[in-house]
Amino acid sequence: QKEVEQNSGPLSVPEGAIASLNCTYSDRGSQSFFWYRQYSGKSPELIMSIYSNGDKEDGRFTAQLNKASQYVSLLIRDSQPSDSATYLCAVDTGGFKTIFGAGTRLFVKA
Amino acid sequence: GAVVSQHPSWVICKSGTSVKIECRSLDFQATTMFWYRQFPKQSLMLMATSNEGSKATYEQGVEKDKFLINHASLTLSTLTVTSAHPEDSSFYICSASVDRGLYEQYFGPGTRLTVT
Repeated sequence: QKEVEQNSGPLSVPEGAIASLNCTYSDRGSQSFFWYRQYSGKSPELIMSIYSNGDKEDGRFTAQLNKASQYVSLLIRDSQPSDSATYLCAVDTGGFKTIFGAGTRLFVKA
Repeated sequence: GAVVSQHPSWVICKSGTSVKIECRSLDFQATTMFWYRQFPKQSLMLMATSNEGSKATYEQGVEKDKFLINHASLTLSTLTVTSAHPEDSSFYICSASVDRGLYEQYFGPGTRLTVT
């Protein structure tokens, strides 16, 4: 069974620190990888997508992909209290067969 | 860009009645739409995937006669919960995507259904 694993947390970091969120996946053939942010009581919001090995940066966010290790991560620099949310890792295993992880809860302490 | 709306944002209905939820892609044409439900403090559960003009593909364990999905156009999909029961109370979220090989999903704001 294809799986996406995330540490449920909570991950607590002080304001201004780097938050590091990790995700592993089981289907080696996966080609598309996403990070979504979900605030409590709200729907998910796409914040990063990555398709090739290496790093992809967008503002304070950096997504890292290592297909050989089947590992995706999200770094949030200069973390703010407004970043406190659940972060969902999602992996598309082929043609809109997207599997979501259970999410990691992040708390940024002011 | 990539804005998805849902209506209503919340609804309360009596047991045994039916409820229709609309999902619209406002600034793009969605080749594929998805319906999820989410219970408190739990992850997303995919209910079904629909493509415009064709029947929805339901996930295992989802009753297709209870959760009717219609993807009438490239910008509109509807989910009808028929003969609702209190256990159907949940947060229903749709998402939409364009088939350009990127497989990004853009989520609507969700509909909170309470069945009394």
